[in-house]
Amino acid sequence: NAGVTQTPKFRVLKTGQSMTLLCAQDMNHEYMYWYRQDPGMGLRLIHYSVGEGTTAKGEVPDGYNVSRLKKQNFLLGLESAAPSQTSVYFCASSYLSGGKASGEQFFGPGTRLTVL
Amino acid sequence: KQEVTQIPAALSVPEGENLVLNCSFTDSAIYNLQWFRQDPGKGLTSLLLIQSSQREQTSGRLNASLDKSSGRSTLYIAASQPGDSATYLCAVRNSGGYQKVTFGTGTKLQVIP
Repeated sequence: NAGVTQTPKFRVLKTGQSMTLLCAQDMNHEYMYWYRQDPGMGLRLIHYSVGEGTTAKGEVPDGYNVSRLKKQNFLLGLESAAPSQTSVYFCASSYLSGGKASGEQFFGPGTRLTVL
Repeated sequence: KQEVTQIPAALSVPEGENLVLNCSFTDSAIYNLQWFRQDPGKGLTSLLLIQSSQREQTSGRLNASLDKSSGRSTLYIAASQPGDSATYLCAVRNSGGYQKVTFGTGTKLQVIP
């Protein structure tokens, strides 16, 4: 099992450019999440998905869009990048047990994004 | 709104010492609590998961306890080693709704040889 993988690992964008971050998991997990991690602020949830074809907003969704067309993939898009989106982005997944996410989250290695 | 606090923000101990990391949360209506380790420039590695009905979980030299009523969890590391140096994060999953997860900002641990 590769677990949770993220591509790319690093990226530098100019203000106004767009890009898509890809998250893939091979554990057949129902739930997937996108977080950003900034110094002194902990991890904050951007968007999440409770299953294929579903997405929902987290704490800090503005400026981001997501799609979950396949169960194993969760894409995070930046339509027009801004310097405030410079951050480390983590994808995570968790399994479903008894009708609720049993809660253990598994994380990818992260994508370090710099917006100039 | 759930708030998760980890104090101290940084801790330095000599090798071999037993140590305790603290995690406090404001809303006791939790589903579970998870402890992670994060090495510099890396992702989060799950260490222990405690469900709300449990009081503690153990894995090797690690023991995590949960006291919902007081809004506290502790991570006990026995016989610390330099390889334990990392940032330790706790994350609280609320019960109800979509089970929002709130992370603390972490305790950066340095174990000195």
